[in-house]
Amino acid sequence: EDKVVQSPLSLVVHEGDTVTLNCSYEVTNFRSLLWYKQEKKAPTFLFMLTSSGIEKKSGRLSSILDKKELSSILNITATQTGDSAIYLCAGGTSYGKLTFGQGTILTVHP
Amino acid sequence: DSGVTQTPKHLITATGQRVTLRCSPRSGDLSVYWYQQSLDQGLQFLIQYYNGEERAKGNILERFSAQQFPDLHSELNLSSLELGDSALYFCASSVAPRGDEKLFFGSGTQLSVL
Repeated sequence: EDKVVQSPLSLVVHEGDTVTLNCSYEVTNFRSLLWYKQEKKAPTFLFMLTSSGIEKKSGRLSSILDKKELSSILNITATQTGDSAIYLCAGGTSYGKLTFGQGTILTVHP
Repeated sequence: DSGVTQTPKHLITATGQRVTLRCSPRSGDLSVYWYQQSLDQGLQFLIQYYNGEERAKGNILERFSAQQFPDLHSELNLSSLELGDSALYFCASSVAPRGDEKLFFGSGTQLSVL
């Protein structure tokens, strides 16, 4: 059975800190690794990674995939209170299925 | 706003009842996905439809069924409801049939079974 595990489950930091969220996956017919941010309700797309070692960046957020280690990290620099959310990682397959991890709850205090 | 519309936003019902959740995908998206999110299980994939046809199935109970209509909206039917079915049900859509691409999620239907 496909499995995605995220760590830590919860993280509390102060504004300005840098955080690293981890995601490891065991997904048959793996094709892509996706990161989502879930604030109040609907998860919103952050990144999709398909190639190992290529960093994707969007402002203060960046992510990279390591296919050899079956893992990915999401970095957030200079955190702000608006970054407080649940960050979800998901493994995608070539036949159409996303397996989500349980999420990392990030709380940023002012 | 993702462009995916789900109704109702909240639903409170009793055990043994049947409910229908509705989803309208983003304009132009042919794929619709249903996910269940509970506190202890995280986001669980239930089922995917592409252009009216079932494409992939996940951990969907036999008491649950779904369909996608010619206008591409989708409905998720939950019957013989149990307390454990209480969860947030998301619909998501995408252009392509592959489920491993960027999905746009609706705001979800919060189902409470009492």
